[in-house]
Amino acid sequence: GESVGLHLPTLSVQEGDNSIINCAYSNSASDYFIWYKQESGKGPQFIIDIRSNMDKRQGQRVTVLLNKTVKHLSLQIAATQPGDSAVYFCAENSSYKLIFGSGTRLLVRP
Amino acid sequence: KAGVTQTPRYLIKTRGQQVTLSCSPISGHRSVSWYQQTPGQGLQFLFEYFSETQRNKGNFPGRFSGRQFSNSRSEMNVSTLELGDSALYLCASSYTGGVDEQFFGPGTRLTVL
Repeated sequence: GESVGLHLPTLSVQEGDNSIINCAYSNSASDYFIWYKQESGKGPQFIIDIRSNMDKRQGQRVTVLLNKTVKHLSLQIAATQPGDSAVYFCAENSSYKLIFGSGTRLLVRP
Repeated sequence: KAGVTQTPRYLIKTRGQQVTLSCSPISGHRSVSWYQQTPGQGLQFLFEYFSETQRNKGNFPGRFSGRQFSNSRSEMNVSTLELGDSALYLCASSYTGGVDEQFFGPGTRLTVL
């Protein structure tokens, strides 16, 4: 499959452990934030979103935290599984466009 | 419901040529966005269309253009190709393009030789 990014920061975790991926965003006026997962050869896939009037949102095994004071997002994945291995991007939605972070590669060790 | 489809999936062109990429959004979606993905620059916004109107444009030269048809299908065109245009071009669709989920297609891998 295609290489998404050759020089991405990498997070390596043991299967079953929790993962935390961090992201800083740029526009303090952005009001909608999304985490995407991208596997090799595929387009980004929606994981979870959060609006600026919230500071936490939970999904199935995933939690997103938003700190507007320092313009920081984090994605927490509980009980990380081999299928979670991918590149993860945060994105902010501003004026009908998504502004993506640089991405983090998550490697899950068996 | 069928996902976002992009054609072709792979394309090889030479410098100076032009190329047209196609995107069919999910049925009912009226917003289509295009992104360029490269290892060096990551994912960058090209433009967004809603009901055949371009609502936003990224910071790309005029060689990059797009359009949307009445059935919401979209095309993007790159003229006078340069080596640096080699990238994965991704299309995303959503109902309104605002605070709603955007669904991405698999992308078109363009290689410029």
